[in-house]
Amino acid sequence: GQQVMQIPQYQHVQEGEDFTTYCNSSTTLSNIQWYKQRPGGHPVFLIQLVKSGEVKKQKRLTFQFGEAKKNSSLHITATQTTDVGTYFCSSGYSTLTFGKGTMLLVSP
Amino acid sequence: SAVISQKPSRDICQRGTSLTIQCQVDSQVTMMFWYRQQPGQSLTLIATANQGSEATYESGFVIDKFPISRPNLTFSTLTVSNMSPEDSSIYLCSVWGQGLADTQYFGPGTRLTVL
Repeated sequence: GQQVMQIPQYQHVQEGEDFTTYCNSSTTLSNIQWYKQRPGGHPVFLIQLVKSGEVKKQKRLTFQFGEAKKNSSLHITATQTTDVGTYFCSSGYSTLTFGKGTMLLVSP
Repeated sequence: SAVISQKPSRDICQRGTSLTIQCQVDSQVTMMFWYRQQPGQSLTLIATANQGSEATYESGFVIDKFPISRPNLTFSTLTVSNMSPEDSSIYLCSVWGQGLADTQYFGPGTRLTVL
């Protein structure tokens, strides 16, 4: 797997505010996956990005892969309490390297 | 996607004992993996379970401590041997394969507490 770093480690927002987490690497990545882990749960696959500059949307979630394939972002528009959890990025195929995750808290 | 089950879902064990965790997937998969997630931390890959041969271990993990079996394409076990409180963690199996669109899916995890 390829090394990835995530920022921020933690963010607390009010419901309705937007949220963004970033995943960065010093080397070109083959791909990026994003996972969400609810408190007490297991990582659930959200999306995989492969192409340079790729943008994918899932309802209020927007995922981007940088043009240089060295960074990615996950943006949530108008957060809801159901968005609470830790968001992990990872890179690789069969063998993944995970970032440390961004924990999102949403206050009603 | 793949449906993955793990047994047990949680356990409390005494120091010095061993626990075997089972992972079952509902379809044949190319690869199966075992991860550890310590409280509040990210996921760390322990090993790749290889069918019919010895598992491939990551740096810092050894077969004597974490023996792994994979007798077929849908099942694997991880044993945590001679446990100490430092082994308290969540252990997750995951699967990957071309039939899964090159995506890795995780089981529900086994929450282990060692006293």
